[in-house]
Amino acid sequence: AQSVAQPEDQVNVAEGNPLTVKCTYSVSGNPYLFWYVQYPNRGLQFLLKYITGDNLVKGSYGFEAEFNKSQTSFHLKKPSALVSDSALYFCAVRDGANFNKFYFGSGTKLNVKP
Amino acid sequence: DTAVSQTPKYLVTQMGNDKSIKCEQNLGHDTMYWYKQDSKKFLKIMFSYNNKELIINETVPNRFSPKSPDKAHLNLHINSLELGDSAVYFCASSRDRDSYNEQFFGPGTRLTVL
Repeated sequence: AQSVAQPEDQVNVAEGNPLTVKCTYSVSGNPYLFWYVQYPNRGLQFLLKYITGDNLVKGSYGFEAEFNKSQTSFHLKKPSALVSDSALYFCAVRDGANFNKFYFGSGTKLNVKP
Repeated sequence: DTAVSQTPKYLVTQMGNDKSIKCEQNLGHDTMYWYKQDSKKFLKIMFSYNNKELIINETVPNRFSPKSPDKAHLNLHINSLELGDSAVYFCASSRDRDSYNEQFFGPGTRLTVL
């Protein structure tokens, strides 16, 4: 089945430490991968995307993500977490062969503690 | 200026009523979407319009009817509201229907059905 999985409901890190939020996907065509962030009582905001090219993509607020085709993963990373990064993060994938097919993960709550 | 706006922000109503949510985007985008986010934060696409044409119509009860009077507006009308319709509804837009375009989300409408 085509889908997106975010295996962790919650990730806790200390401020200043690196963070990783995991995402794996499954689509039949080429994957177009996205990360979005949702702050409380707000809509989702786009962070970054992978379409083609360099496997490491950089986005807003110092976030980056690495596309790994063999592992079908697109983990979100940041070298040094800030308390203000605390939010809900969603991974999303669109099937490049069928624009009607796209999926959001279940979300991962990131808690960054001072 | 707000890029994607929705009204109302909160909507509390009784079962069986009919209600509408409005969405407008001033980004000049061709494609608009409606999503439903449930209490567990799962996000599911409901509909998508491209230049006023319906292009995505997921498995949604036919009590839900989208209407796009022009490409900058996508409204959602819900008939005979049920308890299970309680959720946050997000409108979004993207430059066009291509799979690689990120989406811009509105602030959401929290619907509570009593």
